[in-house]
Amino acid sequence: DTEVTQTPKHLVMGMTNKKSLKCEQHMGHRAMYWYKQKAKKPPELMFVYSYEKLSINESVPSRFSPECPNSSLLNLHLHALQPEDSALYLCASSQFITGPARLSNQPQHFGDGTRLSIL
Amino acid sequence: QKEVEQNSGPLSVPEGAIASLNCTYSDRGSQSFFWYRQYSGKSPELIMSIYSNGDKEDGRFTAQLNKASQYVSLLIRDSQPSDSATYLCGKVGNNRKLIWGLGTSLAVNP
Repeated sequence: DTEVTQTPKHLVMGMTNKKSLKCEQHMGHRAMYWYKQKAKKPPELMFVYSYEKLSINESVPSRFSPECPNSSLLNLHLHALQPEDSALYLCASSQFITGPARLSNQPQHFGDGTRLSIL
Repeated sequence: QKEVEQNSGPLSVPEGAIASLNCTYSDRGSQSFFWYRQYSGKSPELIMSIYSNGDKEDGRFTAQLNKASQYVSLLIRDSQPSDSATYLCGKVGNNRKLIWGLGTSLAVNP
């Protein structure tokens, strides 16, 4: 069991559908992340939120739209996806601590992921 | 040179042996290093974090960091078949992004 909860676990959608992935954490973490992972590859960073503000967007196509309604929730809205967007989508969270670099880089804790298939 | 390099394996060890996983990195400014384990079809699970030169032990796992030589390693003692997974090495630099290696596949044979 993880302390970062993602729903749904599996999602199949057509290219014209609109759907959302949800992520929730109750560890008091103030940094949250979305990653995309293809088979046999490491996770690929998509977005980072720090204190509910978008701090990093890794040039992700606009068909992916993140949202952070509060410090515990992170959503990823999907629209007009392509078959190549089929992947495991991972949410992660971490402490966000300012100060000396080695103290500010806290480990990320991952949810179980959403397996997304685009038809 | 990739920022984080790992031997993709597969690394195969017999049950009960020590598995040694290695990772090198290119940015001397890197401060934080992490080892994650990922089973097929599952999400990454944090095994160890290490920030200072030397060894850090947690149960059967020992992480070793050598900043002068720019490598970090993970030793798994008394390897079990349940340790069979992909092990991802990651580091965070000043840009706060977690940079991953490609992962090393470990197979522990009964």
